[in-house]
Order: sequence, then structure tokens, then C-alpha cells
Amino acid sequence: EPEVTQTPSHQVTQMGQEVILRCVPISNHLYFYWYRQILGQKVEFLVSFYNNEISEKSEIFDDQFSVERPDGSNFTLKIRSTKLEDSAMYFCASSEAPGAPYNEQFFGPGTRLTVL
Amino acid sequence: KNQVEQSPQSLIILEGKNCTLQCNYTVSPFSNLRWYKQDTGRGPVSLTIMTFSENTKSNGRYTATLDADTKQSSLHITASQLSDSASYICVVRGLTNAGKSTFGDGTTLTVKP
Repeated sequence: EPEVTQTPSHQVTQMGQEVILRCVPISNHLYFYWYRQILGQKVEFLVSFYNNEISEKSEIFDDQFSVERPDGSNFTLKIRSTKLEDSAMYFCASSEAPGAPYNEQFFGPGTRLTVL
Repeated sequence: KNQVEQSPQSLIILEGKNCTLQCNYTVSPFSNLRWYKQDTGRGPVSLTIMTFSENTKSNGRYTATLDADTKQSSLHITASQLSDSASYICVVRGLTNAGKSTFGDGTTLTVKP
């Protein structure tokens, strides 16, 4: 069964460093998402991406964040200068088609980012 | 502001018992409502998806109900198993092209032997 994959599973970085989190969405999906979950808190929407551009972003997704689909398979989240409060689990998700009533989002296993 | 509120925050039941989790939302209009199961340290896994026109959707021992008029949903788990111990999250997607979803805080279910 196709699934969303994410690498690395765990990333440790120093405050102020840049990190890139990688995701491989399900191959025929058109919509891509990033979410984060701070330990003990709920999942929060960061950004959605369709047709090679950002569709929607939350207030969390400031200038320190960027997303990119560098090739036909990968979808990345870059944090330019990490802060301690960026420590969280980051989930990538993808869905098949825009506008479909079900539009189920399939989540990856997550990347745990630890900023020291 | 779109909100999704879940209750109870946590729940402990004995193996084999049934339980019902609640979700109230203010997202309007909405495209669909989903219940996810999230094991600790893992990504959410979809259990059920319902559009505004659906009242009930089942997936094995999981049955979700939706009342679009009162903006309430419930997830009923029958004959609970130890493996049901997880966080159950209600997610409501608004009626936009972008598919932005609002997540509830989740209900942490613990099933004890």
C-alpha cells in the first residue's frame, strides 16, 4: 500500500542552524501539507502546497519557513534559522485531488526535530 | 475563529468495554470531518471520513456519527482492545480549495486489561 515517507526520523540541530525536512508524498497525489506537533500539544497546520505554489499557510509559517518541491517526488520544509521553540514533530501529508469531498490526507510517520 | 473541541480530554476503560468520544466544531461551512487515531510518536491514521451529508460511518469497531445541524460528531469504539490505547483526533476541513484542516486537541484513550 502506498504511503508517505519522511526523512530523517529524528534531526538534532543547534539553534540558528538551517534544517531541511524531507517528504516523499504518495505518487499520484497533488496536494501536500506540513503540520507540526509540539510535544504534548495538538497537531497544527503549517502550510498546504498545490501546483508548485503555496495554497494556504498559517500564522506559524513565517519568513523562517519555506517549502519546495525540488523534483517530481520530494517535498521539503526548510527552517532557515531554527529556534528552541521549533522543536516539535513535523508531519508531512498528501492528498489526491483538490475539491474532492473526502480528500483524505495521508500522513507520514513524522520527523522529530530537536533544537538545542 | 474555526475551532474544534473534543471531550473528554482523557479516558480510561477496561478491555472489552465500549466508549464514546465527542467532538464539537465551529468550522463552517465544512467539507469533511475526520477521525484519526494517533499512536504515541507516530503520524495520525485515518479512521473515518464524513461529508456534511453523512450521519454515520463505520470502520470495523469504530463508528462515527455526525450532526451537521448541531455541529457535533462522536466516535464510538466497541469491544475495546489494548491496542486501541492512543490519541483520537477530530479534524474538520473547511470548504476551501486549499484543504486547510482544523485539528482538535484529541482524546487520550487508555485501555487497561
